[in-house]
Formats: sequence, C-alpha cells, structure tokens
Amino acid sequence: DTGVSQNPRHKITKRGQNVTFRCDPISEHNRLYWYRQTLGQGPEFLTYFQNEAQLEKSRLLSDRFSAERPKGSFSTLEIQRTEQGDSAMYLCASSIPGQASGNTIYFGEGSWLTVV
Amino acid sequence: AQKVTQAQTEISVVEKEDVTLDCVYETRDTTYYLFWYKQPPSGELVFLIRRNSFDEQNEISGRYSWNFQKSTSSFNFTITASQVVDSAVYFCALSGVGGATNKLIFGTGTLLAVQP
Repeated sequence: DTGVSQNPRHKITKRGQNVTFRCDPISEHNRLYWYRQTLGQGPEFLTYFQNEAQLEKSRLLSDRFSAERPKGSFSTLEIQRTEQGDSAMYLCASSIPGQASGNTIYFGEGSWLTVV
Repeated sequence: AQKVTQAQTEISVVEKEDVTLDCVYETRDTTYYLFWYKQPPSGELVFLIRRNSFDEQNEISGRYSWNFQKSTSSFNFTITASQVVDSAVYFCALSGVGGATNKLIFGTGTLLAVQP
C-alpha cells in the first residue's frame, strides 16, 4: 500500500493525558498537511510542512498541539493535556507541487480521537 | 477570503436515479483549483477530481460528471444511475495556485444516501 498511512486509527484517552499520532506520507511527497474534522463538518486545516520545515500553522492549533517532521519524511502530531473538545478525526495528507499534479492532496484514513 | 458552500446537507435517492451535488465557491484569486472528494464511512477522503480555474470544460468519468461554471462560481457534481456504493459524504474544496501552502478549503459536505 503506497498511500498515506496513519496510526493509531483509533485512540480513546482520558482528559488531561497526552496523545501522539503518526503519519507516513506517500513516498517522495514533500508536502505534508494535518487537518481536523469533527462530526458534520468538513476538514479544517491545522498545519503544513514542506520537507522538514513547518511553514504554516492555523489559529486552530493551540499551544497544546505540536507537530514535527524531523527528517522530512514521517510526521507526528502531539496533543498535550487533552480536552473533550479535542475529540475529532485527525487527518494527514500529502502532496507534491507541480503543474502535472496541481498539488492534488491525498489523504490518509484518519486517526479518531475520543477524549473521555 | 476563500469559502466553499454546499447547501445540500443530505440527499436521499433510490438506486438508478441521477443526483446532482451542488458546490458554490468564493475566492479573490484569479487562478485556483477546485476539487471533489468522497468520504465513505471508513473515513478516508478519496480524491475524485481536480479542475483548474482556467479550464471550464466539463468532464465525464464513467457515471460521474462535473459542471464548472465560472460565471456563477459553481462546480457541481452529477452521479448518473446512482448505486448503493455511492453512499458517502461528498466534499467540494478549493485551493490557491502557486501560494506557499495551497491548503484546501472544504465545504461542509453533502451526505448522499442511495437506497436499494
């Protein structure tokens, strides 16, 4: 399978605990995105990497959230001191720029987070 | 500001009916991309189509067709002879061209239920 891979797929955690999600993008895709999706809504942009550089962060990304892409390959999204409002699906996506691709963004299956 | 509106929250049809999903967008960019994604119950966002703003030619792919009308800022999606497997949430999305991130702006989605 050469698509975007995310794990864990599901995570249930108690309020106040830290959680970390991992994303492996499509090979050779240098752009990596994190989105968050809540029930009944479209995905909302959280942050973006080009190679290892984090180039943009949404205002949705509070100080409790941190994302890394240390070697420009896989990425992690950590949420510290989780709150019930963090319950959502966290989607990772990747793309490669260029006219041929039109920067089409390909998504993983998402990581569901439930904070109890 | 960029915005995507999908006014239809839910649509229910009987198998073999044709169905059109509406998408209206707002952007100040002169060049941009429009996308449709399908999200089945498994959660993964599946890329369906990308359209450049300078290409208003309609496209057909099997039972799927897309009507892009720049004059009305619409990018509608029609499924001909719908099937139960088409049941999913469909998202329309917009991105810029040549910017730093080209992040996607999504609509709120349309839930399509195809009854046997």
